[in-house]
Amino acid sequence: SQQGEEDPQALSIQEGENATMNCSYKTSINNLQWYRQNSGRGLVHLILIRSNEREKHSGRLRVTLDTSKKSSSLLITASRAADTASYFCATGTNQAGTALIFGKGTTLSVSS
Amino acid sequence: DAGVIQSPRHEVTEMGQEVTLRCKPISGHDYLFWYRQTMMRGLELLIYFNNNVPIDDSGMPEDRFSAKMPNASFSTLKIQPSEPRDSAVYFCASSLTGGETQYFGPGTRLLVL
Repeated sequence: SQQGEEDPQALSIQEGENATMNCSYKTSINNLQWYRQNSGRGLVHLILIRSNEREKHSGRLRVTLDTSKKSSSLLITASRAADTASYFCATGTNQAGTALIFGKGTTLSVSS
Repeated sequence: DAGVIQSPRHEVTEMGQEVTLRCKPISGHDYLFWYRQTMMRGLELLIYFNNNVPIDDSGMPEDRFSAKMPNASFSTLKIQPSEPRDSAVYFCASSLTGGETQYFGPGTRLLVL
């Protein structure tokens, strides 16, 4: 079942601009994660935010989590052409034996 | 650590043939996941294992697909017989626990003619 839904599906920006992607989910979570996938490659983990956290930073990445709205956002500041990729959110629970549930992804295109 | 290793990286086969995809997870990871990715259907979870035991195979499309994990360092995904609609990129991923960070392999690009 699809838990996370990213918005927008596609985003095109110029180098130097900021990119914001959103993720909504449906059920209670223990954590929410963001992954990046470059064309033809596997997914790479970017950042994990736990349900008791509201904001987290990693380099040019900023993630927020609003559990009351069941939503998260990923902000990439000062984007570069190398940021061109698909970005996926995934939600995890702390129930034993469960797996992450991935959204369908946002395709980001950064032009120079 | 070398990360998750998948083989082969590319596979081209004819309809009706058996295809076997292989995965070596990161040492110490208790969970192993098999995904399929296509343009039409996106990323689909096929099956996952915990300590070599299949936990949920509800994503396996049909009986032509089977997966095994004979030990903690090796898993296979088999398609027999293969069909053109099985053409996709198949990813293997592993993690310490089910709901935490997953580490993906580079994928196997399968083309069934």
